[in-house]
Amino acid sequence: DVKVTQSSRYLVKRTGEKVFLECVQDMDHENMFWYRQDPGLGLRLIYFSYDVKMKEKGDIPEGYSVSREKKERFSLILESASTNQTSMYLCASSFMGLEAFFGQGTRLTVV
Amino acid sequence: KQEVTQIPAALSVPEGENLVLNCSFTDSAIYNLQWFRQDPGKGLTSLLLIQSSQREQTSGRLNASLDKSSGRSTLYIAASQPGDSATYLCAVIHPPPNYGGSQGNLIFGKGTKLSVKP
Repeated sequence: DVKVTQSSRYLVKRTGEKVFLECVQDMDHENMFWYRQDPGLGLRLIYFSYDVKMKEKGDIPEGYSVSREKKERFSLILESASTNQTSMYLCASSFMGLEAFFGQGTRLTVV
Repeated sequence: KQEVTQIPAALSVPEGENLVLNCSFTDSAIYNLQWFRQDPGKGLTSLLLIQSSQREQTSGRLNASLDKSSGRSTLYIAASQPGDSATYLCAVIHPPPNYGGSQGNLIFGKGTKLSVKP
Protein backbone atom coordinates (compact mmCIF):
# COMPACT_ATOMS: atom_id res chain seq x y z
CA ASP A 1 0.00 0.00 0.00
CA VAL A 2 1.08 3.53 -0.75
CA LYS A 3 1.99 5.41 2.34
CA VAL A 4 2.18 9.17 2.73
CA THR A 5 3.35 10.14 6.18
CA GLN A 6 3.20 13.60 7.70
CA SER A 7 5.57 14.24 10.57
CA SER A 8 2.99 15.50 13.08
CA ARG A 9 -0.74 15.11 13.65
CA TYR A 10 -0.99 18.18 15.86
CA LEU A 11 1.29 21.20 16.22
CA VAL A 12 1.03 24.35 18.32
CA LYS A 13 3.39 27.18 17.41
CA ARG A 14 3.82 30.80 18.41
CA THR A 15 3.34 33.77 16.10
CA GLY A 16 6.57 34.61 14.28
CA GLU A 17 8.11 31.15 14.60
CA LYS A 18 9.53 29.36 11.57
CA VAL A 19 7.56 26.14 11.14
CA PHE A 20 8.50 23.04 9.17
CA LEU A 21 5.91 20.49 8.07
CA GLU A 22 7.43 17.31 6.68
CA CYS A 23 5.89 14.81 4.29
CA VAL A 24 7.39 11.52 3.14
CA GLN A 25 6.01 9.07 0.56
CA ASP A 26 7.25 5.56 -0.07
CA MET A 27 6.06 4.88 -3.64
CA ASP A 28 8.62 6.76 -5.75
CA HIS A 29 5.96 9.25 -6.91
CA GLU A 30 7.06 12.20 -9.00
CA ASN A 31 4.29 14.56 -7.93
CA MET A 32 3.83 15.87 -4.41
CA PHE A 33 1.41 18.49 -3.12
CA TRP A 34 0.63 20.63 -0.09
CA TYR A 35 -2.95 21.74 0.56
CA ARG A 36 -4.62 23.54 3.40
CA GLN A 37 -8.21 22.86 4.39
CA ASP A 38 -10.44 25.39 6.11
CA PRO A 39 -14.17 25.22 6.91
CA GLY A 40 -16.22 26.75 4.13
CA LEU A 41 -13.19 27.17 1.85
CA GLY A 42 -12.41 23.55 1.11
CA LEU A 43 -8.98 22.35 0.04
CA ARG A 44 -6.70 24.94 -1.48
CA LEU A 45 -3.38 24.20 -3.15
CA ILE A 46 -0.35 25.90 -1.63
CA TYR A 47 2.53 24.41 -3.65
CA PHE A 48 3.23 21.35 -5.70
CA SER A 49 6.32 19.66 -7.08
CA TYR A 50 6.61 17.36 -10.07
CA ASP A 51 10.27 16.50 -9.67
CA VAL A 52 13.17 16.86 -7.28
CA LYS A 53 14.08 20.53 -6.80
CA MET A 54 11.08 21.57 -8.95
CA LYS A 55 8.22 23.53 -7.45
CA GLU A 56 5.15 25.34 -8.67
CA LYS A 57 3.02 27.86 -6.80
CA GLY A 58 -0.55 26.94 -6.17
CA ASP A 59 -3.45 29.22 -5.39
CA ILE A 60 -2.27 30.51 -2.01
CA PRO A 61 1.55 30.44 -1.80
CA GLU A 62 1.96 33.70 0.15
CA GLY A 63 3.68 33.16 3.50
CA TYR A 64 4.86 29.67 2.56
CA SER A 65 7.85 28.09 0.87
CA VAL A 66 8.71 24.48 0.03
CA SER A 67 11.71 22.27 -0.32
CA ARG A 68 12.17 19.05 -2.26
CA GLU A 69 15.77 17.90 -2.02
CA LYS A 70 14.91 14.19 -2.28
CA LYS A 71 12.17 12.54 -4.31
CA GLU A 72 10.41 11.03 -1.32
CA ARG A 73 10.30 14.15 0.87
CA PHE A 74 8.41 17.41 0.41
CA SER A 75 8.62 20.02 3.15
CA LEU A 76 6.34 22.98 3.71
CA ILE A 77 7.87 25.96 5.50
CA LEU A 78 6.00 28.76 7.19
CA GLU A 79 8.62 31.49 7.24
CA SER A 80 7.00 33.49 10.06
CA ALA A 81 3.87 31.82 11.38
CA SER A 82 0.77 33.95 11.76
CA THR A 83 -2.60 33.21 13.33
CA ASN A 84 -4.29 33.15 9.91
CA GLN A 85 -2.16 30.11 9.06
CA THR A 86 -3.98 28.07 11.69
CA SER A 87 -5.43 25.27 9.60
CA MET A 88 -5.38 21.61 8.61
CA TYR A 89 -2.46 20.91 6.27
CA LEU A 90 -2.62 17.94 3.93
CA CYS A 91 0.19 16.42 1.88
CA ALA A 92 -0.39 14.19 -1.15
CA SER A 93 1.59 12.33 -3.78
CA SER A 94 0.81 10.82 -7.17
CA PHE A 95 2.45 9.24 -10.18
CA MET A 96 2.04 11.20 -13.42
CA GLY A 97 -1.42 12.57 -12.63
CA LEU A 98 -2.83 9.20 -11.68
CA GLU A 99 -4.36 8.25 -8.32
CA ALA A 100 -3.36 10.66 -5.57
CA PHE A 101 -2.77 9.52 -1.99
CA PHE A 102 -2.98 11.74 1.07
CA GLY A 103 -1.32 11.77 4.44
CA GLN A 104 -3.21 11.87 7.71
CA GLY A 105 -3.06 15.65 7.96
CA THR A 106 -1.40 18.06 10.38
CA ARG A 107 -3.62 20.28 12.50
CA LEU A 108 -1.55 23.43 13.05
CA THR A 109 -2.55 26.03 15.61
CA VAL A 110 -0.65 29.32 15.71
CA VAL A 111 -1.09 31.25 18.96
CA LYS B 1 -10.21 28.83 -14.19
CA GLN B 2 -11.50 25.39 -13.28
CA GLU B 3 -14.31 25.34 -10.73
CA VAL B 4 -15.65 22.17 -9.14
CA THR B 5 -19.09 22.09 -7.52
CA GLN B 6 -20.63 19.37 -5.40
CA ILE B 7 -24.35 19.17 -4.77
CA PRO B 8 -25.85 18.69 -2.26
CA ALA B 9 -23.58 20.12 0.43
CA ALA B 10 -25.16 17.80 2.99
CA LEU B 11 -27.33 14.72 2.79
CA SER B 12 -29.05 12.63 5.45
CA VAL B 13 -30.54 9.25 4.54
CA PRO B 14 -31.82 6.18 6.38
CA GLU B 15 -29.70 3.05 6.34
CA GLY B 16 -30.18 0.86 3.30
CA GLU B 17 -30.95 3.59 0.80
CA ASN B 18 -29.16 3.90 -2.52
CA LEU B 19 -27.87 7.40 -3.10
CA VAL B 20 -26.14 9.58 -5.67
CA LEU B 21 -23.62 12.33 -5.05
CA ASN B 22 -22.99 14.86 -7.79
CA CYS B 23 -19.87 16.64 -8.97
CA SER B 24 -19.66 19.16 -11.80
CA PHE B 25 -16.70 20.98 -13.30
CA THR B 26 -16.44 23.92 -15.68
CA ASP B 27 -13.44 22.97 -17.84
CA SER B 28 -13.75 19.61 -19.59
CA ALA B 29 -10.01 19.43 -20.41
CA ILE B 30 -9.29 17.24 -17.41
CA TYR B 31 -6.85 14.36 -17.22
CA ASN B 32 -8.59 12.25 -14.59
CA LEU B 33 -11.17 12.57 -11.81
CA GLN B 34 -10.89 11.10 -8.33
CA TRP B 35 -13.37 10.58 -5.51
CA PHE B 36 -12.28 10.68 -1.87
CA ARG B 37 -13.77 10.11 1.53
CA GLN B 38 -12.81 12.16 4.59
CA ASP B 39 -13.70 11.31 8.18
CA PRO B 40 -13.75 14.17 10.72
CA GLY B 41 -10.26 15.41 11.56
CA LYS B 42 -8.58 12.90 9.26
CA GLY B 43 -6.84 12.88 5.91
CA LEU B 44 -8.43 11.91 2.60
CA THR B 45 -8.94 8.29 1.60
CA SER B 46 -8.99 7.52 -2.12
CA LEU B 47 -12.17 5.74 -3.25
CA LEU B 48 -12.09 5.67 -7.04
CA LEU B 49 -10.05 7.12 -9.88
CA ILE B 50 -11.70 7.54 -13.27
CA GLN B 51 -9.28 8.12 -16.09
CA SER B 52 -10.40 10.44 -18.88
CA SER B 53 -10.77 7.55 -21.33
CA GLN B 54 -13.13 5.71 -18.99
CA ARG B 55 -16.80 6.33 -18.34
CA GLU B 56 -17.12 4.55 -15.01
CA GLN B 57 -15.35 2.68 -12.24
CA THR B 58 -16.69 0.32 -9.60
CA SER B 59 -15.41 -0.74 -6.20
CA GLY B 60 -17.70 -2.82 -4.02
CA ARG B 61 -20.87 -0.81 -3.31
CA LEU B 62 -19.45 2.27 -5.02
CA ASN B 63 -19.83 3.19 -8.66
CA ALA B 64 -18.50 6.40 -10.16
CA SER B 65 -19.29 7.70 -13.62
CA LEU B 66 -17.71 10.43 -15.69
CA ASP B 67 -19.14 12.48 -18.57
CA LYS B 68 -16.38 14.85 -19.62
CA SER B 69 -18.37 16.56 -22.35
CA SER B 70 -21.06 17.67 -19.91
CA GLY B 71 -18.61 18.30 -17.07
CA ARG B 72 -20.24 15.86 -14.64
CA SER B 73 -19.39 12.94 -12.42
CA THR B 74 -21.60 10.99 -10.05
CA LEU B 75 -20.80 8.69 -7.16
CA TYR B 76 -23.43 6.04 -6.55
CA ILE B 77 -23.49 4.32 -3.16
CA ALA B 78 -25.61 1.21 -2.95
CA ALA B 79 -27.29 -0.03 0.23
CA SER B 80 -25.87 2.72 2.43
CA GLN B 81 -24.62 1.91 5.95
CA PRO B 82 -23.94 4.09 9.02
CA GLY B 83 -20.22 3.49 8.44
CA ASP B 84 -20.54 5.37 5.13
CA SER B 85 -21.13 8.58 7.07
CA ALA B 86 -18.34 10.96 6.07
CA THR B 87 -17.60 13.85 3.73
CA TYR B 88 -17.17 12.84 0.09
CA LEU B 89 -14.95 14.97 -2.11
CA CYS B 90 -14.37 14.91 -5.83
CA ALA B 91 -11.26 16.30 -7.47
CA VAL B 92 -10.40 16.90 -11.10
CA ILE B 93 -6.81 16.32 -12.15
CA HIS B 94 -5.21 18.33 -14.92
CA PRO B 95 -2.37 16.95 -17.05
CA PRO B 96 0.89 17.24 -15.12
CA PRO B 97 4.01 18.92 -16.57
CA ASN B 98 5.78 15.57 -16.74
CA TYR B 99 2.96 14.34 -18.95
CA GLY B 100 2.82 17.18 -21.43
CA GLY B 101 0.58 19.43 -19.36
CA SER B 102 1.24 22.49 -17.28
CA GLN B 103 -0.50 21.86 -13.96
CA GLY B 104 -0.94 18.36 -12.57
CA ASN B 105 -2.64 19.43 -9.41
CA LEU B 106 -6.00 18.32 -8.05
CA ILE B 107 -8.81 20.84 -7.87
CA PHE B 108 -11.44 19.97 -5.29
CA GLY B 109 -15.09 20.57 -4.75
CA LYS B 110 -16.16 21.51 -1.23
CA GLY B 111 -17.64 18.11 -0.59
CA THR B 112 -20.93 16.48 0.35
CA LYS B 113 -21.37 15.63 4.02
CA LEU B 114 -23.25 12.35 4.21
CA SER B 115 -25.04 11.08 7.28
CA VAL B 116 -26.54 7.59 7.20
CA LYS B 117 -28.91 6.98 10.09
CA PRO B 118 -29.47 3.51 11.54
